[in-house]
Amino acid sequence: GENVEQHPSTLSVQEGDSAVIKCTYSDSASNYFPWYKQELGKRPQLIIDIRSNVGEKKDQRIAVTLNKTAKHFSLHITETQPEDSAVYFCAATYSGGGADGLTFGKGTHLIIQP
Amino acid sequence: NAGVTQTPKFQVLKTGQSMTLQCAQDMNHEYMSWYRQDPGMGLRLIHYSVGAGITDQGEVPNGYNVSRSTTEDFPLRLLSAAPSQTSVYFCASSYSQDEQYFGPGTRLTVT
Repeated sequence: GENVEQHPSTLSVQEGDSAVIKCTYSDSASNYFPWYKQELGKRPQLIIDIRSNVGEKKDQRIAVTLNKTAKHFSLHITETQPEDSAVYFCAATYSGGGADGLTFGKGTHLIIQP
Repeated sequence: NAGVTQTPKFQVLKTGQSMTLQCAQDMNHEYMSWYRQDPGMGLRLIHYSVGAGITDQGEVPNGYNVSRSTTEDFPLRLLSAAPSQTSVYFCASSYSQDEQYFGPGTRLTVT
């Protein structure tokens, strides 16, 4: 099955700086890579996703890049703000018949220092 | 449109007790799944369903049963609770098997 590794487990950055979280996956058949943000005591919420036919996707201050050859994808947050503090999870799956759900990384606790 | 709902929000069980965690969605999503979240472990898939009458096991299915008699509901049953099942449980649904929407979660403690 799929295995997703996520680094770092904790990331502390100054407000206004950029943050980068990296994930690797093992199954070359995976073609859908979402990122979820989870605030304390809340449910995970999808913030951005990318499919394997695209190398990069941006949404305002958030971007995700995908390198299929190296089997890794990254989340980039620019101009960080206090409300970006949360736990971020990457995930991977094969989106199509026979898929067995999302495989998540273990999460990154992002701390924005004022 | 309530999205994905879960009940109860909190539950305390004694070892050996049984219970059912409820999950419902009103978005007419075919795909539903259950995850458990433990500190430092991320979310792990317990069971999933690709439509009414169809269920399958995920990464950590032992100790849990599911059924899917309707498109809207996907209950998770613990037949004989164990302390190792203390966790936060999230139900999710999606139109396809990718963009999943999570419910608010159930925090379960087994003593």
